[in-house]
Amino acid sequence: ETVLTQSPGTLSLSPGDRATLSCRASQSISSSYLAWYQHKPGQGPRLLIYGTSTRATGIPDRFSGSGSGTDFTLTITGLEPEDFAVYYCQHYGSSPIITFGQGTRLEIK
Amino acid sequence: QVQLQESGPGLVKPSETLSLTCAVSGGSITGYYWAWIRQTPGKGLDYIGYIYYNGDANYNPSFRSRVILSVDTSKNQVSLRLSSVTAADTAVYYCARRRAGFEVAFDIWGQGTMVTVSS
Repeated sequence: ETVLTQSPGTLSLSPGDRATLSCRASQSISSSYLAWYQHKPGQGPRLLIYGTSTRATGIPDRFSGSGSGTDFTLTITGLEPEDFAVYYCQHYGSSPIITFGQGTRLEIK
Repeated sequence: QVQLQESGPGLVKPSETLSLTCAVSGGSITGYYWAWIRQTPGKGLDYIGYIYYNGDANYNPSFRSRVILSVDTSKNQVSLRLSSVTAADTAVYYCARRRAGFEVAFDIWGQGTMVTVSS
């Protein structure tokens, strides 16, 4: 099983700031199988990035993903008020076939 | 556009079976995988399993002995049955569509349904 560890647990920033969220895998993984989601209370998660760096349909270009091997990053440049939420990374691999990181809470400073 | 709506009892007794349905509207379930994912209170997301429209399923080993997923193409819906529930199964349950394509991710989610396990 590939374990995904996200850091930091909580990130306190202000609107307009740049956010850098990390997702570290317990073993090297294919960049094709790393995705990022935004999750707000009372809603289903929203797919932001798949295949490490491809933005999903309708996702603003202030969201970007990068990384390879075991280290992956979600960057949000110019935080908007609606960006404050919990973010999860997700991997597709071996059993269990889908795993999620524990999440990073992005809160307003 | 495609929308997912989970439904089912909000309260289930311990040791009983939790049954949920995900209704797919605005598109067909044909050609896609459909997943169930849950979020326990104060925690992150847990993958339960997913099922292809033809019935082929993959389950998380943590749930394998207790979970059954099914599809009903005539009703355009997928279902989850989780047996022998305990308080640890109290969670918000989401259904989600796995996106078409090589890169595996879930591009459409329902809003979730809260299930409490309690006597």
